[in-house]
Amino acid sequence: ELKVEQNPLFLSMQEGKNYTIYCNYSTTSDRLYWYRQDPGKSLESLFVLLSNGAVKQEGRLMASLDTKARLSTLHITAAVHDLSATYFCAVANTGNQFYFGTGTSLTVIP
Amino acid sequence: GAVVSQHPSWVICKSGTSVKIECRSLDFQATTMFWYRQFPKQSLMLMATSNEGSKATYEQGVEKDKFLINHASLTLSTLTVTSAHPEDSSFYICSARDQDRERSPNTQYFGPGTRLTVL
Repeated sequence: ELKVEQNPLFLSMQEGKNYTIYCNYSTTSDRLYWYRQDPGKSLESLFVLLSNGAVKQEGRLMASLDTKARLSTLHITAAVHDLSATYFCAVANTGNQFYFGTGTSLTVIP
Repeated sequence: GAVVSQHPSWVICKSGTSVKIECRSLDFQATTMFWYRQFPKQSLMLMATSNEGSKATYEQGVEKDKFLINHASLTLSTLTVTSAHPEDSSFYICSARDQDRERSPNTQYFGPGTRLTVL
């Protein structure tokens, strides 16, 4: 069974600071996804990473993938309050079933 | 962009009753849909894979007789929670994969979720 872990589980950071969320997974996969979830809402797609070394950036968020290390990172640059949410990574198996990480609850403090 | 809807958005029912949740792909066809369950402050857990015209595939630990899945058309999958109990209260989210892989390869589109509360 594919297992996905995120670190940290909870993150409180001040506006303007940088931080990185880590996503480790247990078996080989070449597809990794990052999602954002606001309270009571469904998932908003942030990034799709499809190959080793892939790096994607959107605004203050940047995601990368290292398939050899089975590691993805989501880097937050100069955080703002609007980024407060829970962030999930998900890894797809060959059957296109998604297995989600434990989630990182981010709170950005003014 | 591809849109997936769920109905209802929320439902409150009495213990012992059955509840049906619908998942529809609005502007694309989906041979495969997925059902997830999310308890408060927890991650999404894959419950089952719904395949159009065939039986669903359930994840280990998910009771197939309790969570009935029907994928009768390329745009609709239903999840029926039979004889619901308070411990079934959760946020249920479906996703669908666009059948046209060239248009949107490897992408799942998530529905808005259905919040089930069993009293």
